[in-house]
Amino acid sequence: DAGVTQSPTHLIKTRGQHVTLRCSPISGHKSVSWYQQVLGQGPQFIFQYYEKEERGRGNFPDRFSARQFPNYSSELNVNALLLGDSALYLCASSLFTAAPIYGYTFGSGTRLTVV
Amino acid sequence: QKEVEQDPGPLSVPEGAIVSLNCTYSNSAFQYFMWYRQYSRKGPELLMYTYSSGNKEDGRFTAQVDKSSKYISLFIRDSQPSDSATYLCAKGEITQGGSEKLVFGKGTKLTVNP
Repeated sequence: DAGVTQSPTHLIKTRGQHVTLRCSPISGHKSVSWYQQVLGQGPQFIFQYYEKEERGRGNFPDRFSARQFPNYSSELNVNALLLGDSALYLCASSLFTAAPIYGYTFGSGTRLTVV
Repeated sequence: QKEVEQDPGPLSVPEGAIVSLNCTYSNSAFQYFMWYRQYSRKGPELLMYTYSSGNKEDGRFTAQVDKSSKYISLFIRDSQPSDSATYLCAKGEITQGGSEKLVFGKGTKLTVNP
């Protein structure tokens, strides 16, 4: 079975540009969460989506947005990129929102470099 | 104060050693605790989770939670070179709005030397 797939794996963008990152959850998983992991830090929560609805948002500016599609795949969009947005962006999927019971599975992430 | 504090190390031990990884947390709303392992260039992989105080064992791994002191520990027995990775502790929170998030520590980089 395929795990959580993210694309692209690596990306280099210029300050001020926008970027779209994509995530396909494990088949049957309806919840997708996005995390940002800056080098040397733990992942930080950005969004959670369940059944195409936003269920939670972390402490990130409005430049960050996301959506979930009918097939439960998801996109993370970041506008007006800053150097500080350089990070590993992780997508995690689970059957429902109760992660302790069903567990989160993370993808390998998209490494975004802003220059 | 950060919600989850974790000593980033790095930690280097010989093969076969017992490894102890520790975190402290703040805020006492209903929550659960997890340990993730992250290999280089990979996403975090769930090792163990627990709701309550006490110990939970899985093979060579033991997770320990002390809610009175807000302390989380992971013990690895008979450590192997394949255990070399970054270990992340995390606190899970379910908010009133029904959303859920994991709050991670910084991670501790562990190297097990053959």
